[in-house]
Amino acid sequence: DGGITQSPKYLFRKEGQNVTLSCEQNLNHDAMYWYRQDPGQGLRLIYYSQIVNDFQKGDIAEGYSVSREKKESFPLTVTSAQKNPTAFYLCASSIDRASGGAIEQFFGPGTRLTVL
Amino acid sequence: KNQVEQSPQSLIILEGKNCTLQCNYTVSPFSNLRWYKQDTGRGPVSLTIMTFSENTKSNGRYTATLDADTKQSSLHITASQLSDSASYICVVSGLKTNAGKSTFGDGTTLTVKP
Repeated sequence: DGGITQSPKYLFRKEGQNVTLSCEQNLNHDAMYWYRQDPGQGLRLIYYSQIVNDFQKGDIAEGYSVSREKKESFPLTVTSAQKNPTAFYLCASSIDRASGGAIEQFFGPGTRLTVL
Repeated sequence: KNQVEQSPQSLIILEGKNCTLQCNYTVSPFSNLRWYKQDTGRGPVSLTIMTFSENTKSNGRYTATLDADTKQSSLHITASQLSDSASYICVVSGLKTNAGKSTFGDGTTLTVKP
């Protein structure tokens, strides 16, 4: 899991509640990402940030929000607007921005969110 | 639309046997292709990264090949062990896109039985 930590490992939410997933990295990486993984499906990009105080929507940003106030931290909030939030959420970071090349992503251990 | 297709979807082999997983992609222009191993309930871990000019790369018992002309890659696992049981994910990045905009395959689930 490299130098990326995610918490909590398991999270339960009641319908209508917002919850925030934590992601911290000590790799000094510029870029950070949030993905959602559903059973039997590939990872889908929710949000990404290439630099502090800036972030971009991914393919499935609706119902989610993020902030990037510090280089090491990229928390994800799952809002009540997300209609099907039960999934495995993965945070990742990489050393480079949009320069192509062989960029390696390092993933955290994941947070499993279940809506009750 | 950029796509990455992996086959087979799942595979069961006996411990000690070899196996090969396939990855076909349509991402263009191509930048790099990565293979990850993901244990159940955990984050993916990088196995190999290959750019356009590389056609093979090894990491222990894992050997990845790349044919950029046919847009195909394979991951060969030699002398499989029970700990190889996992999902193997192929990820392809295009030029001028960061890693986050990569295209992920759905993965191949490998089960190694004693």
